[in-house]
Amino acid sequence: EDQVTQSPEALRLQEGESSSLNCSYTVSGLRGLFWYRQDPGKGPEFLFTLYSAGEEKEKERLKATLTKKESFLHITAPKPEDSATYLCAVQPGGGSYIPTFGRGTSLIVHP
Amino acid sequence: DGGITQSPKYLFRKEGQNVTLSCEQNLNHDAMYWYRQDPGQGLRLIYYSQIVNDFQKGDIAEGYSVSREKKESFPLTVTSAQKNPTAFYLCASKDSHNSPLHFGNGTRLTVT
Repeated sequence: EDQVTQSPEALRLQEGESSSLNCSYTVSGLRGLFWYRQDPGKGPEFLFTLYSAGEEKEKERLKATLTKKESFLHITAPKPEDSATYLCAVQPGGGSYIPTFGRGTSLIVHP
Repeated sequence: DGGITQSPKYLFRKEGQNVTLSCEQNLNHDAMYWYRQDPGQGLRLIYYSQIVNDFQKGDIAEGYSVSREKKESFPLTVTSAQKNPTAFYLCASKDSHNSPLHFGNGTRLTVT
């Protein structure tokens, strides 16, 4: 069974205090790992797709990395506007069109 | 701009009434999904559809029904058989197996 575990469940940072969110996964034939950002009361917004171990993607203060067992979302010098819930999902191989989601990490950045 | 539109944003119903949530996309995506999101539980799949006139149950389909008569539209009906319908409902779509999901901004349903 495909599984995605995100840690920590919640993270509080001071503005400028860099940190990382973890997404550990077990999946049969990874076809893609996705990171999303979700603001309260809104739908998740797509951030990154990673397809193979060693791949990295960057966007502003965010950098996503991938190994064969986990992905990290590194947040460098975060600002209060980075506060959100970050979701990780994996797309298994085979014929399934259904991604498996983690429960998310709630990030709060204090000014 | 292309995207997914969910309506209404907020919906209130009395217990025992059926209610239909709208989801429309203009992304020309074949696959569409309905998720339910409750605090502390993450996203749970209700139904999904890979092509018009075909759909499959997800993990928590009991008490829900869907239709897919057009590529652009995937409405979800929450029936009176759903025991705990108050939740945040998200519709999503994607265009291929390896693509990320695109989400709408959700409908918050409150049943009293």
